[in-house]
Amino acid sequence: GDSVTQMEGPVTLSEEAFLTINCTYTATGYPSLFWYVQYPGEGLQLLLKATKADDKGSNKGFEATYRKETTSFHLEKGSVQVSDSAVYFCALRGGNQFYFGTGTSLTVIP
Amino acid sequence: NAGVMQNPRHLVRRRGQEARLRCSPMKGHSHVYWYRQLPEEGLKFMVYLQKENIIDESGMPKERFSAEFPKEGPSILRIQQVVRGDSAAYFCASSPGTGNNSPLHFGNGTRLTVT
Repeated sequence: GDSVTQMEGPVTLSEEAFLTINCTYTATGYPSLFWYVQYPGEGLQLLLKATKADDKGSNKGFEATYRKETTSFHLEKGSVQVSDSAVYFCALRGGNQFYFGTGTSLTVIP
Repeated sequence: NAGVMQNPRHLVRRRGQEARLRCSPMKGHSHVYWYRQLPEEGLKFMVYLQKENIIDESGMPKERFSAEFPKEGPSILRIQQVVRGDSAAYFCASSPGTGNNSPLHFGNGTRLTVT
C-alpha cells in the first residue's frame, strides 16, 4: 500500500544553516505530495505541495521537488531561523486517503 | 476565518465518563478525517467520513469509539467510558474531496486528559 518514510529527528541546527529533511514515498498511481508544519500546541499547517512529477512546491523560503525517479520529496531551506523550530510532516494523497510520515522535529538555535 | 473549527480545545474527563469532540469543517468541505496524536509521536489515522457516511474506520478502536458526520451540524468523535490511555490530542481535518490535489486542512485539535 501507499506509505511515506521520513527522516527521523530530532534535528538541531544553528540559525542560518542549511536544512534538508528527507522524505521518500511508495505509491500506486500518481499521488500528490505535501509538507506540513506543526508548531507547539497547534494543528498541522500546510507548508507546500506538489501535484505531479518535477513540480517544485515553495513557501516561506522552503522548497521541495517531486522526484518520481527517486520517489522523493525532500524539504529544503537555505537559511533557517529560530522561528522555523517546529515539527515537519511529509504527506501523500492517494485518492481520498492521506498518508503521513512520523514527523521530524527541528530546533534552530541562535 | 472559515478554517476548521474544533471544540473544546481542552477537555478533562474522569475515567468512565464520555468524551465528545466536535469538528466543523471548512466551508464547502464535505470530507472529514480524524487523527490522534500522542506526545512526541506522529499522527495516527482514525476515521474518514463524508456527510452521513463512514468511508473508512480502519484506524478506530473497535470498542468505545464512534464517529459521525450528520447532514447538518459538526462531525462528532465520541469516546465512551474513557480510560487513561485515551489521553491524547485529537485532530480533525477536512478536504473538499474533489480531485486528487486538494490538501487536508487541520483544526487546532482537542487535547483530552483523562484523570
